[in-house]
Amino acid sequence: EAQVTQNPRYLITVTGKKLTVTCSQNMNHEYMSWYRQDPGLGLRQIYYSMNVEVTDKGDVPEGYKVSRKEKRNFPLILESPSPNQTSLYFCATGRLESPLHFGNGTRLTVT
Amino acid sequence: SQQGEEDPQALSIQEGENATMNCSYKTSINNLQWYRQNSGRGLVHLILIRSNEREKHSGRLRVTLDTSKKSSSLLITASRAADTASYFCATGHGNNRLAFGKGNQVVVIP
Repeated sequence: EAQVTQNPRYLITVTGKKLTVTCSQNMNHEYMSWYRQDPGLGLRQIYYSMNVEVTDKGDVPEGYKVSRKEKRNFPLILESPSPNQTSLYFCATGRLESPLHFGNGTRLTVT
Repeated sequence: SQQGEEDPQALSIQEGENATMNCSYKTSINNLQWYRQNSGRGLVHLILIRSNEREKHSGRLRVTLDTSKKSSSLLITASRAADTASYFCATGHGNNRLAFGKGNQVVVIP
């Protein structure tokens, strides 16, 4: 079954404590991306990757890091989380110029 | 901003009625996609329409695209309670980047 798996589903942490949200896909897609969703703002792209070892900034990359060491995984790293990074995060994957497949989301709260 | 903007932002209809949502955008596109989201879960792709297409159908969904007006519409016919969700348009501008609108909340009353 085609899947995009994000973990964890919920995360509560404190300011400054490094965290990683994992994303894994089993569809051999070249393209992977991270979005954050906030009320009234829709989905905004954080980072994306066109292939292994190729990553680029999206619209709101500040405070985030990513890596793409292998095709199936695209972790999102918050080195020093702050309360303004409290949000709902989605990983998405797809083939070039094709529909995206989304994970079920990670609800992050930073206190 | 390149993102699409949906209109209306909230819509409440009776089961069986048709629901129409519009999306406007500002710059030229390669394609336009519609997605559905159920209460905080991941988005699910509905339809992709390319810039050289004018209309597409999928089941009870009909999407139109007018590149001269930079707008698209999504029609859901014979709506059901299960269609209650948020609907997003997303514009594709090349290199696989999608710019999402803020979403349109649809409530179908049984």
